[in-house]
Amino acid sequence: SYELTQPPSVSVSPGQTASITCSGDKLGDKYVSWYQQKPGQSPVMVIYQDAQRPSGIPERFSGSNSGNTATLTISGTQAMDEADYYCQAWDSRTWVFGGGTKLTVL
Amino acid sequence: QVQLVQSGAEVKKPGASVKVSCKTSGYAFTSFDINWVRQATGQGLEWMGWMNPNLGNTDYAQKFQGRVTFTMNTSLNTAYMYLSNLRSEDTAVYYCAKSAVDTFDYWGQGTLVTVSS
Repeated sequence: SYELTQPPSVSVSPGQTASITCSGDKLGDKYVSWYQQKPGQSPVMVIYQDAQRPSGIPERFSGSNSGNTATLTISGTQAMDEADYYCQAWDSRTWVFGGGTKLTVL
Repeated sequence: QVQLVQSGAEVKKPGASVKVSCKTSGYAFTSFDINWVRQATGQGLEWMGWMNPNLGNTDYAQKFQGRVTFTMNTSLNTAYMYLSNLRSEDTAVYYCAKSAVDTFDYWGQGTLVTVSS
């Protein structure tokens, strides 16, 4: 079965740029979505189709996808961005999620 | 505005079954798939399958085949997830999520299902 691999944790200082990676075989051939989940809340989609940002999501969130790696980038990270982030892709009639990355802003 | 409102928390014994509802509003219910995703405490997201409310067809993740059933009531704009033969490992928050193009754009608030003797 297809697997998406994320680092368990990423730390960033306020105002700096955070990058969260998601790796999978030929991931660049698939569309990737990213979800933000804060404690006790439902996931919120922040990026879809690799790099599209839905309305209401701040411009500091951006995405890219090439080769075997997709990346979620948060520029000028704020304390409110501290959360778990999950990548997602479709493969062989199955939606697959990455294991999640805990972003700490300190 | 689009909303997906799920039924309340459930406590079940091992071997029992549970039915979770997902009432939608703010969009054409039959125009978009509904997915079900679960999350055990402190763990990641796990996709269970999807349902097409227009055609009524479904597809289930291999792990859940034989134990899960998705149904709907189009007159109520509501989707249902039925999981049988519950075991302790099924203790989790269950989410419904509306499909959009290549993504899930709206999620329900989640329903905690606890399986305990």
